[in-house]
Amino acid sequence: AQSVAQPEDQVNVAEGNPLTVKCTYSVSGNPYLFWYVQYPNRGLQFLLKYITGDNLVKGSYGFEAEFNKSQTSFHLKKPSALVSDSALYFCAVRDTNAGKSTFGDGTTLTVKP
Amino acid sequence: SQTIHQWPATLVQPVGSPLSLECTVEGTSNPNLYWYRQAAGRGLQLLFYSVGIGQISSEVPQNLSASRPQDRQFILSSKKLLLSDSGFYLCAWSKVTSDIQYFGAGTRLSVL
Repeated sequence: AQSVAQPEDQVNVAEGNPLTVKCTYSVSGNPYLFWYVQYPNRGLQFLLKYITGDNLVKGSYGFEAEFNKSQTSFHLKKPSALVSDSALYFCAVRDTNAGKSTFGDGTTLTVKP
Repeated sequence: SQTIHQWPATLVQPVGSPLSLECTVEGTSNPNLYWYRQAAGRGLQLLFYSVGIGQISSEVPQNLSASRPQDRQFILSSKKLLLSDSGFYLCAWSKVTSDIQYFGAGTRLSVL
């Protein structure tokens, strides 16, 4: 079985400060990991993914995520937050033995000017 | 380039009425297709997914059904809507060999 947890419903940061949105996962095999962003009343947009290789993955809009196998985590990060980064962020995982991905419950990021 | 179309954007239906939401994908062939429901702007609930024409897997037993009459067309239906069917419905597709999912703009369904 596979599962993913986003322990924070809400993350608040000031514009210009670094941001982190947390994600932990559980799989029986090797994980494929994804981050998506959703703006109000819109569909989800893909940000980045980890399949294999370098643990630090760079994605769209200056976001990056670090895969940590020992901590089973895949936290989303950005060095300097923008007000326009305010949105709902979803982490997703797929076990290499599974047929489809499982999404977390989402974390609302609010960046204040 | 590939695009996904989902309509209508908003829908208000009375309890007990039928439902048909349509999703089409352009620019790719044999995509995996998905229907999700999102309640109150939070987590996604996978309702159905399809790996090919006529091949539908149901994740949650309920009064909804899905069909895939053509390779790039995915339809979500109900014979009689319930109040609890209200929500934001999202269609998505992915390439068979890649797990990135590409989402439509969503349909906001209100059952009154």
